[in-house]
Amino acid sequence: KAGVTQTPRYLIKTRGQQVTLSCSPISGHRSVSWYQQTPGQGLQFLFEYFSETQRNKGNFPGRFSGRQFSNSRSEMNVSTLELGDSALYLCASSVDRGNSPLHFGNGTRLTVT
Amino acid sequence: SQKIEQNSEALNIQEGKTATLTCNYTNYSPAYLQWYRQDPGRGPVFLLLIRENEKEKRKERLKVTFDTTLKQSLFHITASQPADSATYLCALDDMNSGGYQKVTFGTGTKLQVIP
Repeated sequence: KAGVTQTPRYLIKTRGQQVTLSCSPISGHRSVSWYQQTPGQGLQFLFEYFSETQRNKGNFPGRFSGRQFSNSRSEMNVSTLELGDSALYLCASSVDRGNSPLHFGNGTRLTVT
Repeated sequence: SQKIEQNSEALNIQEGKTATLTCNYTNYSPAYLQWYRQDPGRGPVFLLLIRENEKEKRKERLKVTFDTTLKQSLFHITASQPADSATYLCALDDMNSGGYQKVTFGTGTKLQVIP
């Protein structure tokens, strides 16, 4: 079974631009979560989607948004990029809510200059 | 405020010894707790899950304990090997999330096993 796929692997953007990251979950997984990882803050929860609905959101500004499609693939968008948005963005899928382990992709490394 | 603390940022041990990593949490009432391993440049990989009514769980050389009174989990790697060198993350569910999947992670402990 193919794992979680995130594209692109690396991205360099300029302050003020916007970016869209993509995540394809494991087949059959309907829950997709997004995390931001930085050296200082560790893994920070962004949001979680299930069946195209956002069920939970972390403490991030409205510039961070996401969506999920009917095939469970998910995208996240960051608008008006700031230097502090430079991070590894990780997507994780799981079978369902509750006690299902998260299966992570290898992330998209975003650098904002 | 809610906090998940892992005992140290880094831990060095000699090959063959048992590594013990600690995860303490505050203001959470998790139904379960998970441990993940992360290698540089890669996403975390799930290792073990333990439920609130379980005291201990084992998988090969790994053992996890969960004490809901102390609000603590211990993660042990016995007969450690250099290949076990990685960052280990504990994670727990946030029951304030309405019962839906919202897993919060600790900041991790970087384990270095010295040959």
